[in-house]
Amino acid sequence: EVQLVESGGDLVQPGGSLRLSCAASGFTFTSYYIHWVRQAPGKGLMWVSHINPDGTTTNYADSVKGRFTISRDNAKNTLYLQMNSLRAEDTAVYYCTRGFRTTVTTSHYFDFWGQGTLVTVSS
Amino acid sequence: DIQMTQSPSTLSASVGDRVTITCRASQTISSWLAWYQQKPGKAPKLLIYKASSLGTGVPSRFSGSGSGTEFTLTISSLQPDDFATYYCQQYNSYSPWTFGQGTKVEIK
Repeated sequence: EVQLVESGGDLVQPGGSLRLSCAASGFTFTSYYIHWVRQAPGKGLMWVSHINPDGTTTNYADSVKGRFTISRDNAKNTLYLQMNSLRAEDTAVYYCTRGFRTTVTTSHYFDFWGQGTLVTVSS
Repeated sequence: DIQMTQSPSTLSASVGDRVTITCRASQTISSWLAWYQQKPGKAPKLLIYKASSLGTGVPSRFSGSGSGTEFTLTISSLQPDDFATYYCQQYNSYSPWTFGQGTKVEIK
């Protein structure tokens, strides 16, 4: 059974830092792109970042570029999101999600999601 | 960036109703569109991918159609478990992946 389990969410002050983790199991972690998607309270879904299977390629939404860093430890089947210079508008539930593509030339949709971890940025 | 617009934002319906949600893309995305269902306090769940392909274990009352810039999600006979918020998402290109703003299906 595919499982993605996020952790690390917390209350943090503006300007602070936090590292989220996502532990994966039930599939070959090293074969998949993994993404972070967030959802502010009462709002819709927003893609944040993704990383390729071997960790050599990453991408970020403009609103987090330069502040957030995605990484993965394939030996531990774990994804990370290092969040620095946090702002009130970063307050959200952060989901990790597996990117699935039907061919090697196509982009991905998100076929499995974790339960999410809440990040609150407030003084 | 490709903008995704859903309509309506809220939909009131009764059990047994046929329900249709529309999603429009700001530029053509071929058939690279997915639909997700989200219930309060839960993670989104994949319903449809490639505009019309049913996700694993998704009931056959859900169907998707469309290509280019206009897409629809249809629930043929609304069930109590289907009251939720639905999102479309384009995956025509890499970065950024974008979602519609969501359609909340409420009990009439």
